[in-house]
Amino acid sequence: NAGVTQTPKFRVLKTGQSMTLLCAQDMNHEYMYWYRQDPGMGLRLIHYSVGEGTTAKGEVPDGYNVSRLKKQNFLLGLESAAPSQTSVYFCATQSRRISNQPQHFGDGTRLSIL
Amino acid sequence: QKEVEQDPGPLSVPEGAIVSLNCTYSNSAFQYFMWYRQYSRKGPELLMYTYSSGNKEDGRFTAQVDKSSKYISLFIRDSQPSDSATYLCAMSAIRIGAQKLVFGQGTRLTINP
Repeated sequence: NAGVTQTPKFRVLKTGQSMTLLCAQDMNHEYMYWYRQDPGMGLRLIHYSVGEGTTAKGEVPDGYNVSRLKKQNFLLGLESAAPSQTSVYFCATQSRRISNQPQHFGDGTRLSIL
Repeated sequence: QKEVEQDPGPLSVPEGAIVSLNCTYSNSAFQYFMWYRQYSRKGPELLMYTYSSGNKEDGRFTAQVDKSSKYISLFIRDSQPSDSATYLCAMSAIRIGAQKLVFGQGTRLTINP
């Protein structure tokens, strides 16, 4: 999807390894979100940010950390990966300045933890 | 019980059929209702967005919200093979500020030529 780029697109990790997922946007949106999508569960919010330097917990934050050092980037970290974190991770952005604006999603990162 | 329930399907219909997709919810604080379409290996994209009870139409798509029954629907008229995708309902209790969306499980839809 134009405007929201997720890196990497696919990754396989071993249990206990760490990694960082990157979300980059060029739409100058204030709000950014990280979701995970699992079969039969829909998308669930992990963490979100309302602006540079701010983060907040979502519905399923345990095992994840996030940082928003720059407005255009939102990083999702797994310090010690567990098989339960095998999922597809989606980043989304949203404008604060325009009301009723939707969230714009990236194309996801498929993460497998062995 | 999940806050938002959606029949996961799969749903398979012939081209040209009218498709009805539905979600129920339990949180009466939800006031924003959305339908997203997700193609395989892609991110969700917004189809419809409404914040009131009643119908909203956009081309072949109609979104319907019944807050009294806590029930929302998406109707697709004259369905096309290109409509084959997973459809996700999503809801939010927040109108201003960061929207913490709650999604249904998604319904996988296939339109057969």
